[in-house]
Amino acid sequence: NAGVTQTPKFQVLKTGQSMTLQCAQDMNHNSMYWYRQDPGMGLRLIYYSASEGTTDKGEVPNGYNVSRLNKREFSLRLESAAPSQTSVYFCASMGSGTNTGELFFGEGSRLTVL
Amino acid sequence: GQQVMQIPQYQHVQEGEDFTTYCNSSTTLSNIQWYKQRPGGHPVFLIQLVKSGEVKKQKRLTFQFGEAKKNSSLHITATQTTDVGTYFCAGPGTYKYIFGTGTRLKVLA
Repeated sequence: NAGVTQTPKFQVLKTGQSMTLQCAQDMNHNSMYWYRQDPGMGLRLIYYSASEGTTDKGEVPNGYNVSRLNKREFSLRLESAAPSQTSVYFCASMGSGTNTGELFFGEGSRLTVL
Repeated sequence: GQQVMQIPQYQHVQEGEDFTTYCNSSTTLSNIQWYKQRPGGHPVFLIQLVKSGEVKKQKRLTFQFGEAKKNSSLHITATQTTDVGTYFCAGPGTYKYIFGTGTRLKVLA
């Protein structure tokens, strides 16, 4: 049972390059989320998808796009990377109808933009 | 907008000492969650509190939800080196769950 899988785990980009972070969950969860984590800033929500076919902006969506490809997969795209996007990115999922609304996180993708 | 603040930001304790982190919300929360993130790892769910004044225990960890449902605390009794990490509280908000800034705990053996 893999849970939430993110790829790649590490990436170095040059300013202006584009890339896509991939996320997949095998728990049949409806909701998926992308967070970024910066030192001293906690976890900030970038985008989320409450269900397949829907996506919504979170707290810090500028510079990012997302695609909910199907129920399992939720990708995050940086069209033109900037040094301010250097961060650790976490994908998470949450099942509907669960008792606790627990967020399950992937292991993270560490992105450096030079 | 809604804010969730945590104090302290850092805490160093000697192994065996107790540790407490506090979480305060600018608005009333329907529930609050706590997560632990080990160094270099990802956040892992610990517990959810729902009721006003609720207290839950997990071995050496005691979680409390305030009567007004605007604050919460996590207390660890007799810390161990395995308790090292960052502890986050999270409350539901406009953008789904709003995470506090976290308290980083270091335990000195």
